[in-house]
Amino acid sequence: QKEVEQNSGPLSVPEGAIASLNCTYSDRGSQSFFWYRQYSGKSPELIMSIYSNGDKEDGRFTAQLNKASQYVSLLIRDSQPSDSATYLCAVSYGNNRLAFGKGNQVVVIP
Amino acid sequence: DARVTQTPRHKVTEMGQEVTMRCQPILGHNTVFWYRQTMMQGLELLAYFRNRAPLDDSGMPKDRFSAEMPDATLATLKIQPSEPRDSAVYFCASGPSWDEQYFGPGTRLTVT
Repeated sequence: QKEVEQNSGPLSVPEGAIASLNCTYSDRGSQSFFWYRQYSGKSPELIMSIYSNGDKEDGRFTAQLNKASQYVSLLIRDSQPSDSATYLCAVSYGNNRLAFGKGNQVVVIP
Repeated sequence: DARVTQTPRHKVTEMGQEVTMRCQPILGHNTVFWYRQTMMQGLELLAYFRNRAPLDDSGMPKDRFSAEMPDATLATLKIQPSEPRDSAVYFCASGPSWDEQYFGPGTRLTVT
């Protein structure tokens, strides 16, 4: 069973602050990691991918990967109301398949 | 702006009826995925195609679900017979590779 855990409850952050989301996974063989954003009633949208240990920055988003500790995180800097959504962590397993976490809801308060 | 399209967007049906969901992948994408999303289970992989060939359908209940790609512009997911526990949002995603997936708008299925 490939498990991807996103245990935090809804995250409320003031506009302009940093939102921090964490994800842990069970399969040590996983090599590829992704963050998707899903607005309420909409489909998931890929926002970040990361394959190597360390940080990867893309605009206001930073993904961090630590394979030894089996966790991946997402930082959203200068949070905007438009960042209010559910963020899904996805981890590769087997032959190019993705296992998704259940998501973390982020609410940015103006 | 190329997008994955899915039909129907909403479907309400009675238990025991056949349900067919359709997906048109983005032109040129050779990988197609079917997912199911529920509050309880989250997003689950049902089937995966590459170049129209099925690579994995281990996530599907084999006795009632089937997925096919009759041509490069159409992927189908069928449920026969449908059950109330099949109620969910079904997403199709396509991509130029497995690690770049673009999701369609989904089909919201309600089985009563």
